[in-house]
Amino acid sequence: GAVVSQHPSRVICKSGTSVKIECRSLDFQATTMFWYRQFPKQSLMLMATSNEGSKATYEQGVEKDKFLINHASLTLSTLTVTSAHPEDSSFYICSADLAPIYEQYFGPGTRLTVT
Amino acid sequence: QKEVEQNSGPLSVPEGAIASLNCTYSDRGSQSFFWYRQYSGKSPELIMSIYSNGDKEDGRFTAQLNKASQYVSLLIRDSQPSDSATYLCAVNKAGGGNKLTFGTGTQLKVEL
Repeated sequence: GAVVSQHPSRVICKSGTSVKIECRSLDFQATTMFWYRQFPKQSLMLMATSNEGSKATYEQGVEKDKFLINHASLTLSTLTVTSAHPEDSSFYICSADLAPIYEQYFGPGTRLTVT
Repeated sequence: QKEVEQNSGPLSVPEGAIASLNCTYSDRGSQSFFWYRQYSGKSPELIMSIYSNGDKEDGRFTAQLNKASQYVSLLIRDSQPSDSATYLCAVNKAGGGNKLTFGTGTQLKVEL
């Protein structure tokens, strides 16, 4: 099956610092990757759609200057949470799209805690 | 009306029974439909995809799609305690590119 990795799995950082999360498709090339956020006991919230070699498309209400997304290759996308604050603490999950059938395969997620 | 609607549950079924999970969607032009399983604290895992009307079976799982009624369901036969999780229905809307719209999920509890 399609495997997506995510690193780190867990990170604790201090308020005001930046955190980078990597998402890799291990056995397929992903033209499109997606970044989601999930708060406890809530559903997935799509933050942005990332296409290789182009700027990410952010969902309404998501600050593009705070959540920087780079998709430099067909197997790697990164999300950088800049100047993190405690309210950014959440479960961040990436997914990669297996075109053209629109199946999305999720990475294991990154649990971010901002103190 | 929510774009993808699921009963939040919890749905409790005894071990060995059939669990029936339901999902309705609002966009009549939707073409692709997916069921994901999410264990507590973990990321979603794709378990079924369905694209045309009718049933699609994979092991103990059967997905059913009725586009006229805008309804998709997932049946789990011989439910096991390890099936206890939240099941997310996802839909690829017409004109949505390759984005998926997720329901809020149904929590399934399989009891011994």
